[in-house]
Amino acid sequence: DTAVSQTPKYLVTQMGNDKSIKCEQNLGHDTMYWYKQDSKKFLKIMFSYNNKELIINETVPNRFSPKSPDKAHLNLHINSLELGDSAVYFCASSQAGTGTDTQYFGPGTRLTVL
Amino acid sequence: QKEVEKDPGPLSVPEGAIVSLNCTYSNSAFQYFMWYRQYSRKGPELLMYTYSSGNKEDGRFTAQVDKSSKYISLFIRDSQPSDSATYLCAMSTNAGKSTFGDGTTLTVKP
Repeated sequence: DTAVSQTPKYLVTQMGNDKSIKCEQNLGHDTMYWYKQDSKKFLKIMFSYNNKELIINETVPNRFSPKSPDKAHLNLHINSLELGDSAVYFCASSQAGTGTDTQYFGPGTRLTVL
Repeated sequence: QKEVEKDPGPLSVPEGAIVSLNCTYSNSAFQYFMWYRQYSRKGPELLMYTYSSGNKEDGRFTAQVDKSSKYISLFIRDSQPSDSATYLCAMSTNAGKSTFGDGTTLTVKP
């Protein structure tokens, strides 16, 4: 009965490879997000989708491409991985971007680029 | 300059201590103020949220917002080893997009 799930939990790969991370939420929320968390625990928003529509696209290299096949899923594809992409990536969801915007986070995907 | 700044960390305190975590911000449009707790190798979870200025208490936790100073605080009374985690402040406008500060890692030693 996991609310927000991500796969894989760990990803170790070589520079230049292409990889995907999948996210699913069973909370019935309209809005989903991708965040990148660095070693200082700073959570930087990357993308936000509302009902499969992209609503936030922060300054992220275009090697990162989100895809939302339906409102319960938001996947993240990364092309030509670089060393600086190593971080923990969190998926989150919330109900309609209202002010409270309480977000429910997945367990994270720890990406290591060698 | 980041929109949200936190006090330098990490923080290590003995069990039973009162802990104070603080964030400052620059965007006066922020109306909602949240504190998330993140245990090691887990995702953040909402701990408390406050609308506009004032205090909110929940058990051993108190959240304070001072909009005139653009300053928010989280106080933990009688801290326990189980409180050891990273705490992140977050803020949003009525439009809903949350802006997070850096996390502060707290260790409560038995």
